[in-house]
This record gives sequence, structure tokens and C-alpha cells, in this order.
Amino acid sequence: SQKIEQNSEALNIQEGKTATLTCNYTNYSPAYLQWYRQDPGRGPVFLLLIRENEKEKRKERLKVTFDTTLKQSLFHITASQPADSATYLCAPSGNTPLVFGKGTRLSVIA
Amino acid sequence: DTAVSQTPKYLVTQMGNDKSIKCEQNLGHDTMYWYKQDSKKFLKIMFSYNNKELIINETVPNRFSPKSPDKAHLNLHINSLELGDSAVYFCASSPSSSYNEQFFGPGTRLTVL
Repeated sequence: SQKIEQNSEALNIQEGKTATLTCNYTNYSPAYLQWYRQDPGRGPVFLLLIRENEKEKRKERLKVTFDTTLKQSLFHITASQPADSATYLCAPSGNTPLVFGKGTRLSVIA
Repeated sequence: DTAVSQTPKYLVTQMGNDKSIKCEQNLGHDTMYWYKQDSKKFLKIMFSYNNKELIINETVPNRFSPKSPDKAHLNLHINSLELGDSAVYFCASSPSSSYNEQFFGPGTRLTVL
């Protein structure tokens, strides 16, 4: 069955540093992969989508990579700020419903 | 303007009761979804409707019945509530069923006592 692993349940980093979150998947060949942000008590909010033929995608301070050989996506937040503190979910996608990872709770410490 | 709205935000009820959660989207999207997020924070799809037709029905007990009166609304009715139904239920929508980005509602926290 499809399995999605996000590197750690929680990640603490210092303000200004780059946060790197990892999403690994198995038994799956997604055509694209999405990243969402979820704040406590709120629904997930879409951030970025990267397709299997794209190596990298950027949006402001966010960067996503997608390595279909390693079956891995990396999500980077550069110059992190306390406001970036949230849970980040990855969701590999294809011809099946979105399957979400459990998420990584990021805390940016001032 | 709220894009995807759900009511109620909180729902506390006794085991065995029947309850409904309503969802509306004003984005003009064709596809709507129901997700369940349990206490371990796993977000799992339950149902998906495209233009009022059911297209995804994951392994969900028959006690859960979605209804889509029109493509802007997708309601979830739950019969004979059980303790294990306690979770946060999210409604979402997307432009089409080809899994574009999804827009989520604020969630309904259901607590079954």
C-alpha cells in the first residue's frame, strides 16, 4: 500500500535559518506532489505543486524539489520567520485521491 | 468572502445520535471532498463528488452518507454516531477532479460522548 513519511514529527529552527522538510513515499508513482500548510484549528492551505518532470519550483521564500528516482520531495523555507511556524503536509498525487503525509510541525524560534 | 465554509464548527453529541455537517463553496469548483483528521493528525479522504456525482468512496462505514444537492454544496450525514467518529472533518473543493490544488474549509470538530 502507499506509504508517505515526513522526516520528523517536529522540527525546531532558529529565526533566519533555512528549514528543510522531507517527504518520502513508497509503493507509489505520483505525477505530481503538493505541499500544504496547516495552522492549529484551521484547514490546510495549499502552498506549492510540483510535477514529476520538474526538478524544482520556487515561490517567494519557498522552494520544493521532486526526485522521482529517490521518491522524495524536499521543502525549503529560507530566512525563516516565527510566522512560518505551522504543520506542513505533503501530498503525492496522481490518478488516485490525494494521500497526505502526517505532517511536520515546524517551530521557528526568535 | 469565505471560499469554503462549514457548519457547525463544533459538534458535541451522544453516542447513537444522528448528525449532519454542511459545506458550501463559492469558488465555482466542480469537485468537492470530505476528509477526516483523527487525533493522530492523519488527514484521510472519505468521499469526493464531481458535479453532484459520487466519484470517490473510500472505505467508510455505511453510517456516513454524503449528499450533494448542487455542485456548490456537499453535506455529510452520520447515523448512529460512535466514539471512534470523534475527529475533525474537513470539506474541500477543487476546480476539477484531476486533483488540482484543493481549498479546505475551517473544519468541524465532532466530539462523541
